[in-house]
Amino acid sequence: DAKTTQPPSMDCAEGRAANLPCNHSTISGNEYVYWYRQIHSQGPQYIIHGLKNNETNEMASLIITEDRKSSTLILPHATLRDTAVYYCIVRSRTGNQFYFGTGTSLTVIP
Amino acid sequence: DTEVTQTPKHLVMGMTNKKSLKCEQHMGHRAMYWYKQKAKKPPELMFVYSYEKLSINESVPSRFSPECPNSSLLNLHLHALQPEDSALYLCASSQSIGASDTQYFGPGTRLTVL
Repeated sequence: DAKTTQPPSMDCAEGRAANLPCNHSTISGNEYVYWYRQIHSQGPQYIIHGLKNNETNEMASLIITEDRKSSTLILPHATLRDTAVYYCIVRSRTGNQFYFGTGTSLTVIP
Repeated sequence: DTEVTQTPKHLVMGMTNKKSLKCEQHMGHRAMYWYKQKAKKPPELMFVYSYEKLSINESVPSRFSPECPNSSLLNLHLHALQPEDSALYLCASSQSIGASDTQYFGPGTRLTVL
């Protein structure tokens, strides 16, 4: 199963775009990239997912490189409520198991 | 509605107790999951149920016993736990275990074993 690598922590100024990178160099052609976030001691919250094309929803945008070996989650206008741990996950090719990496702790600064 | 509910929110039990965690969803999902999360660590998959049948057990000790009595309900029975089993236990569900099916997580049960 593909593994993901994320920076352990990042800061972002309130109102600015937060760009969270993820490396998944061993991803295979049929594996999706998912992003979740977890605010302290709550359950993980789904943000967005994609396969090849860039995706956008009301929460965020997902940019996947052409070779699919990395992706970036973009929160366009970060707020204090976006402070959380963000997980990039490549879903197992054998089923719908999620194997979480260590994630990025994003702190939005006033 | 993408809500997964878990009860209780908090549970304290002794090493000789028997207790159960409950998870419920009414989204018509046919796949349900248990995860364990230790402090400052990512969630770790424990079990996967698909159409009420256990499809994956990630080598979890037998003191954890999952049960899926119907498509909406998932239980985790606990017996003779150790203090190191103290953690946040998360339940999730998805439409199926097929491709691109998003998992929705519940708020978790905070378990403390004394």
